[in-house]
Amino acid sequence: KQEVTQIPAALSVPEGENLVLNCSFTDSAIYNLQWFRQDPGKGLTSLLLIQSSQREQTSGRLNASLDKSSGRSTLYIAASQPGDSATYLCAVRFTNSNSGYALNFGKGTSLLVTP
Amino acid sequence: GAVVSQHPSRVICKSGTSVKIECRSLDFQATTMFWYRQFPKKSLMLMATSNEGSKATYEQGVEKDKFLINHASLTLSTLTVTSAHPEDSSFYICSVRGQGGSEQYFGPGTRLTVT
Repeated sequence: KQEVTQIPAALSVPEGENLVLNCSFTDSAIYNLQWFRQDPGKGLTSLLLIQSSQREQTSGRLNASLDKSSGRSTLYIAASQPGDSATYLCAVRFTNSNSGYALNFGKGTSLLVTP
Repeated sequence: GAVVSQHPSRVICKSGTSVKIECRSLDFQATTMFWYRQFPKKSLMLMATSNEGSKATYEQGVEKDKFLINHASLTLSTLTVTSAHPEDSSFYICSVRGQGGSEQYFGPGTRLTVT
């Protein structure tokens, strides 16, 4: 079964800290992996997309890595700010999926950055 | 990235009525659209995949007669929740994918509450 797991489920850090969010997936045959941000009651904002041939992507204070062989991805947030508080979702598009191009989501990590 | 809109953003309806949710791709032609559902504190679950001009493909456990999907054009897909019940209350999010595209773009979501 193709599953995506995110650890931790919730995280609270003081402003300014660097932090790492973890995502693991059960099938290493993936097409790509996306990290999203979701604010309460809102839709999804795409943060980073990593293709299966890539090992990392960077955007501003965000860096996402991908290790297909071990089925892991991390999202690194540098110098966290209160505005980073949100739920972060990891989603994988598996190569051999019955759902075609659809994404399989983890349950998310709820991040709170305190001033 | 693509701009995706959903209408309405919130809807409250009485049990037994039907509700239609629209998903529009505003700036590119979406050959494939996906409908996801998100329960409180849960991750997004794929409901169905719709391809323009053909019948939608539903995930296991999703009733196609209850959740009617129409993808009549390259910029519009609709999800109709028929004879809604309180357990249908959820956050419904659509996403779009262009032909040959690897990234998905998500709408802002629709909060459905059935009383």
